[in-house]
Amino acid sequence: KAGVTQTPRYLIKTRGQQVTLSCSPISGHRSVSWYQQTPGQGLQFLFEYFSETQRNKGNFPGRFSGRQFSNSRSEMNVSTLELGDSALYLCASSLGRGGDEQYFGPGTRLTVT
Amino acid sequence: AQSVTQPDIHITVSEGASLELRCNYSYGATPYLFWYVQSPGQGLQLLLKYFSGDTLVQGIKGFEAEFKRSQSSFNLRKPSVHWSDAAEYFCAVVLRNGGYNKLIFGAGTRLAVHP
Repeated sequence: KAGVTQTPRYLIKTRGQQVTLSCSPISGHRSVSWYQQTPGQGLQFLFEYFSETQRNKGNFPGRFSGRQFSNSRSEMNVSTLELGDSALYLCASSLGRGGDEQYFGPGTRLTVT
Repeated sequence: AQSVTQPDIHITVSEGASLELRCNYSYGATPYLFWYVQSPGQGLQLLLKYFSGDTLVQGIKGFEAEFKRSQSSFNLRKPSVHWSDAAEYFCAVVLRNGGYNKLIFGAGTRLAVHP
């Protein structure tokens, strides 16, 4: 069974631009969660989607948004990029809700210049 | 507030030596606990989990962890470390709030292995 895939793996953007990251969960998994990883703040929860609905959200500004499609694939969007948005963005999928064990993708490395 | 503390930022051990990585949590109810490992440039790989039952849980790659409620700890152990175990290790707890769950991670412990 294929694991969680994330595209693109690396991205360089300029301040003020917007970016969309994609995540394909493990087949059969219905929940997708997104995390931001930075050296200063560590791993922080962004949001969770289950059955195309956002079920939980972390403490991030409204510039961070996401959605989930009927095939459970998810996208995350960041608008008006800031330098501080440079991070590794990780997607994780699980069979059920976020309390289940989560399987992580390799991440998307976003650099904002 | 619910939190996870990993007191050791960096640990260095010799290959073949035993390993214990510490994790303390703050959570009112019975926690769901996880250990993940992250190699450089990679995502997180689940090593093991504790939901309930036996307090000593076995994971992949020869790792085990023991849940101690009285000490609010979930320490990760390995009897003999291999050079390939060099990585960053994260302890996590599931924060459950009316059906809305999320993982809260510790800051991580970076493990270096000397030959």
